[in-house]
Amino acid sequence: AAGVIQSPRHLIKEKRETATLKCYPIPRHDTVYWYQQGPGQDPQFLISFYEKMQSDKGSIPDRFSAQQFSDYHSELNMSSLELGDSALYFCASSVGDRTYEQYFGPGTRLTVT
Amino acid sequence: AQSVTQPDIHITVSEGASLELRCNYSYGATPYLFWYVQSPGQGLQLLLKYFSGDTLVQGIKGFEAEFKRSQSSFNLRKPSVHWSDAAEYFCAVGGGADGLTFGKGTHLIIQP
Repeated sequence: AAGVIQSPRHLIKEKRETATLKCYPIPRHDTVYWYQQGPGQDPQFLISFYEKMQSDKGSIPDRFSAQQFSDYHSELNMSSLELGDSALYFCASSVGDRTYEQYFGPGTRLTVT
Repeated sequence: AQSVTQPDIHITVSEGASLELRCNYSYGATPYLFWYVQSPGQGLQLLLKYFSGDTLVQGIKGFEAEFKRSQSSFNLRKPSVHWSDAAEYFCAVGGGADGLTFGKGTHLIIQP
């Protein structure tokens, strides 16, 4: 079965640089969620989109922005990177309001040096 | 605000023994509850979910969980653990187009 695809899987950036993470949801899933998981931490919800509109917002820094495109893929843009942004970034997808099951991608490991 | 508490940071169980991981939640309405499992450096795999109806739910890999509204609990159980069950287990609440709120996780260690 098709799963959530995230790219890149690993990314190394320097402080103050920018990064863009991409997420391709499971086919026919119209809702995308972004989470950040620091080392040894639980995943923290950042932001979600339903039918290309922002649906819910969590602890997303102002330096980060995200959007969902017409093909339902999503991108998380991160600017002025800080050391503390080093984490695993997960994307999850679900079928909008018809189910509450979120299926997670393998994650992108971002390292900021 | 919704929250999830997993009281046990680490649990060690012998292979073949039974397992129960505790989860307590706080949620303003009818909760949607989930258990996810995460192996080191990997993504989160959905084990099972509770939305409504039967309070005992079955999941994958032989896991089950029981929703107890009076205790605000959603404990995960398995009658006989295997070495491959060693992982981090997260309880979560929420759903729809909203983000999930996770507990801090329970690290499961399996002794041979």
